Amino acid sequence: EAEVAQSPRYKITEKSQAVAFWCDPISGHATLYWYRQILGQGPELLVQFQDESVVDDSQLPKDRFSAERLKGVDSTLKIQPAELGDSAMYLCASSVDLLETQYFGPGTRLLVL
Amino acid sequence: QQQVKQSPQSLIVQKGGISIINCAYENTAFDYFPWYQQFPGKGPALLIAIRPDVSEKKEGRFTISFNKSAKQFSLHIMDSQPGDSATYFCAARGGGATNKLIFGTGTLLAVQP
Repeated sequence: EAEVAQSPRYKITEKSQAVAFWCDPISGHATLYWYRQILGQGPELLVQFQDESVVDDSQLPKDRFSAERLKGVDSTLKIQPAELGDSAMYLCASSVDLLETQYFGPGTRLLVL
Repeated sequence: QQQVKQSPQSLIVQKGGISIINCAYENTAFDYFPWYQQFPGKGPALLIAIRPDVSEKKEGRFTISFNKSAKQFSLHIMDSQPGDSATYFCAARGGGATNKLIFGTGTLLAVQP
């Protein structure tokens, strides 16, 4: 069964450092999402791509976060500089197209010291 | 208005019992209501979903009850098993051009053998 792949699975960094996460969606899925899940809360959408275009980045802290999906396949989420409050699980999801079921990857757990 | 309120925060059920998790929303534009199951260290996985034109949907031991007038929906897990122990999230899709999911805060379910 095809799955969304994410790496790394765990990342420990110091505040003010740069950190990057990678996501490879299910093959053929046009829509890709990045969510942030703080411990004890539900996931919150950061950014949504349709192919290589950003559809929704209204909740992305653009002063420090950036996301790209250059070829409309895999995607990278970057934080620079990282802050203590960025410690969370970063989840990637994909769907065949807009309005279709979202399938989540295992996530990257980030700890900022 | 974009919130989805979920209760209880945690739930302990005996094996074979019924687990019930409730969610409420305000935004009548929501058009799709999925439930996700999340095990520790894993990403959320779609369990069952319903649209507002249906009052009930059943898949195996899992049933969603939907009350459009009350703006509430609930997940019922019949014959609960220890393997059902996980965190459950309700969600609602915001409608419009994006597939943005608004998640509840989650319910930690423990099924005791």
